[in-house]
Amino acid sequence: AQKVTQAQTEISVVEKEDVTLDCVYETRDTTYYLFWYKQPPSGELVFLIRRNSFDEQNEISGRYSWNFQKSTSSFNFTITASQVVDSAVYFCALSERSSASKIIFGSGTRLSIRP
Amino acid sequence: DGGITQSPKYLFRKEGQNVTLSCEQNLNHDAMYWYRQDPGQGLRLIYYSQIVNDFQKGDIAEGYSVSREKKESFPLTVTSAQKNPTAFYLCASSIPTGNTGELFFGEGSRLTVL
Repeated sequence: AQKVTQAQTEISVVEKEDVTLDCVYETRDTTYYLFWYKQPPSGELVFLIRRNSFDEQNEISGRYSWNFQKSTSSFNFTITASQVVDSAVYFCALSERSSASKIIFGSGTRLSIRP
Repeated sequence: DGGITQSPKYLFRKEGQNVTLSCEQNLNHDAMYWYRQDPGQGLRLIYYSQIVNDFQKGDIAEGYSVSREKKESFPLTVTSAQKNPTAFYLCASSIPTGNTGELFFGEGSRLTVL
């Protein structure tokens, strides 16, 4: 069965600090996809990144970076030089190829950036 | 503009009443989803549909029903059998082979049972 765990319920940092959001997943499939979404106060989730299980290269997009490690079943998300606009709830998600279209989310991490 | 429209944004219901949440998309996506969000529990999958006239139960389908008569529409009915329906409901869609694609979300519908 697929499962996503985000152990950090809430994180609060001061602006300009770096912050890492953890995501640990469980799956029996060898082919799967991992995602990160951002939910700002407006409520609508915004897609950030997708990774397939065969691509373990780290990804960097501006101040955002993602570290995918199959050996530890983790897909962590780091924000460098955080800004107040980064305040949101962040969700990690998993989709197994065998489950066809079923995407499961973690419980989310609420990130607060203090000015 | 292309996107997903959910209505109503806020809804109040008395116990024992059924209520239907609307979800319409003009993205030409085959797959559509309904998620429920409760504080501290993240998003939980209620139902999803990969094509018209077909849908599958998610992890918490009890007390809910859906239909998929048109590609653009995937309404969710919260029935009186749902014991704790107060929640934030999110509809989403994705391209075919949805497990490889990103989800596009609506702005959500907040249901409160009085």
